[in-house]
Amino acid sequence: KAGVTQTPRYLIKTRGQQVTLSCSPISGHRSVSWYQQTPGQGLQFLFEYFSETQRNKGNFPGRFSGRQFSNSRSEMNVSTLELGDSALYLCASSLGGGQGLSEQFFGPGTRLTVL
Amino acid sequence: DQQVKQNSPSLSVQEGRISILNCDYTNSMFDYFLWYKKYPAEGPTFLISISSIKDKNEDGRFTVFLNKSAKHLSLHIVPSQPGDSAVYFCAAHHSGNTPLVFGKGTRLSVIA
Repeated sequence: KAGVTQTPRYLIKTRGQQVTLSCSPISGHRSVSWYQQTPGQGLQFLFEYFSETQRNKGNFPGRFSGRQFSNSRSEMNVSTLELGDSALYLCASSLGGGQGLSEQFFGPGTRLTVL
Repeated sequence: DQQVKQNSPSLSVQEGRISILNCDYTNSMFDYFLWYKKYPAEGPTFLISISSIKDKNEDGRFTVFLNKSAKHLSLHIVPSQPGDSAVYFCAAHHSGNTPLVFGKGTRLSVIA
């Protein structure tokens, strides 16, 4: 079974631009969560989508948004990029039903650099 | 407010010895705890978990201990191997569809 894939793997943008990152979950997984990892900050939860609906949301500004499609693939968008948005963005998928979000499988991440 | 804390940013251990990674939490609603391991340029991979109804869970060389009264858990790796060198994240949540809350991670270096 293929793992979680994220595209692109690396991205360089300039301040003020916007960016869209993509995540394809493991087949059969209906929940997709997004995290931001910055040096020394661990993984900070952005949001989680289940069956095309945002089910959980972290404490990030409205510049960060996402969506999920009917095939469970998810995208996250960051508008008006700031230098502080430079980070590794990780996507994780899980079955998301009765098992909850415990068994999450992560993709390799997208490394975003904002200049 | 950091609900999951890993107070040691790094740890060095000799090959063959025990590695002990610690994690503290503040939210008494947490009832499920996990450890993830992360290598550079890869996403975190699930290592071991424990429910609050247990105080110990073992899987091969990895054992997680939970002390609910102290709101503390630890991961023991015995014996430590060079391939265990990675960043280890502690995570917790209230079981069900609530998000995982991660600590900042501890970088483990196992020296041959």
